[in-house]
Amino acid sequence: AQSVSQHNHHVILSEAASLELGCNYSYGGTVNLFWYVQYPGQHLQLLLKYFSGDPLVKGIKGFEAEFIKSKFSFNLRKPSVQWSDTAEYFCAVNMDTGRRALTFGSGTRLQVQP
Amino acid sequence: DAGVIQSPRHEVTEMGQEVTLRCKPISGHNSLFWYRQTMMRGLELLIYFNNNVPIDDSGMPEDRFSAKMPNASFSTLKIQPSEPRDSAVYFCASSRDQGVADTQYFGPGTRLTVL
Repeated sequence: AQSVSQHNHHVILSEAASLELGCNYSYGGTVNLFWYVQYPGQHLQLLLKYFSGDPLVKGIKGFEAEFIKSKFSFNLRKPSVQWSDTAEYFCAVNMDTGRRALTFGSGTRLQVQP
Repeated sequence: DAGVIQSPRHEVTEMGQEVTLRCKPISGHNSLFWYRQTMMRGLELLIYFNNNVPIDDSGMPEDRFSAKMPNASFSTLKIQPSEPRDSAVYFCASSRDQGVADTQYFGPGTRLTVL
């Protein structure tokens, strides 16, 4: 079965540190890739998505992600985190099976210390 | 745009009671999704509708769960009878149905606690 893995479950960083969150999926076909963020007490919001073209995708709030097809990865990056980036981050994949629903990773809880 | 609206935001009920969760998708969106978030299983799809028709309900746990979408602006997820293991946050999401690259917009969720 197709799956999405986020190996970092809990990440603690200091402000201004660089961030990279891993996301890998297991599916050999065409995929559409998403990163969502869930701030404490809030609903999921889209950070960025990839469906074709330039594999380096830029999103909101200074986040970017790179799709590396050969590695089945879509890692999220930010060069300098802020305290306000404290949240849970979810990688999600839509695989070209025609099923519109997203398959989510287990999430990474990011804690940024001031 | 008001975004996806869900009600209630919090629900506490006793085992065996019927629970109904409600969702109003973004106007003009043709697809509606119900997800459940738990600590053990993360975010998982329960069911999704396209143009008010259920397309994939393979994630619905069992017969105690049912979902309806009587029109383009309203959907319900019903649990009858509820059990403590149903305690979770239930999210509704909608999208424009422009293909598999659609962005799904999520509601604030309903936090359900079954005692």
